[in-house]
Amino acid sequence: QVQLQESGPGLVKPSETLSLTCTVSGDAFSKYYWTWIRQPPGRGLEWIGYVYHTGSTNYNPSLKSRLTLSVDPSSNQFSLNLSSVTAADTAVYYCARVVFGESSKNWFDPWGQGALVTVSS
Amino acid sequence: DIQMTQSPSSLSASVGDRVTITCRASLSISTYLNWYQQTPGKAPKLLIYGASTLQSGVPSRFSGSGSGTDFTLTFSSLQPEDFATYFCQQSYSSPFTFGQGTKLEI
Repeated sequence: QVQLQESGPGLVKPSETLSLTCTVSGDAFSKYYWTWIRQPPGRGLEWIGYVYHTGSTNYNPSLKSRLTLSVDPSSNQFSLNLSSVTAADTAVYYCARVVFGESSKNWFDPWGQGALVTVSS
Repeated sequence: DIQMTQSPSSLSASVGDRVTITCRASLSISTYLNWYQQTPGKAPKLLIYGASTLQSGVPSRFSGSGSGTDFTLTFSSLQPEDFATYFCQQSYSSPFTFGQGTKLEI
């Protein structure tokens, strides 16, 4: 069964770039879209964007100007880079697989365990 | 963006209770609606997709219904492991948005 694991620094300074990688195991990486979601402490969920193995992307407009999602199919990994971070970007960042069903319905399953990233000097 | 509003934000209940939580979309999303369960310190877990299809392995005491703008998640008989936070999410249009969550407490 597929498993996802986030990795990256847990502390980032304001104005710098937040970088995370998600490693996928146990699945056909190139069959699916892959997504990032974040959750500020004690708050709700925000969809960040998704990426396909071809490099095709779909970003949340609220983050688009600072966001880059990329993929490395040879390593079964996809990555997130978020530039010019502030304290508002402090959150648990989750990676997940996007499953498409009939009529382009889609859902996120499974999710990685999450990685807490704190933005602080 | 499509706004998703859940009610109530929190709910106290007991083991064995039948409970329903609701999710309302700011415009019609047909049945492009998913439900997730999140326990403290854990990642969300998919329960229901397409408004009413139970994810494989999810107990049959969970059920989902609705179409258009109004949706419900029903627990036929609450079990101790069901006390968690539940989120709805629309996949009708990007950006995909979540409800604010409903915390189910004992």
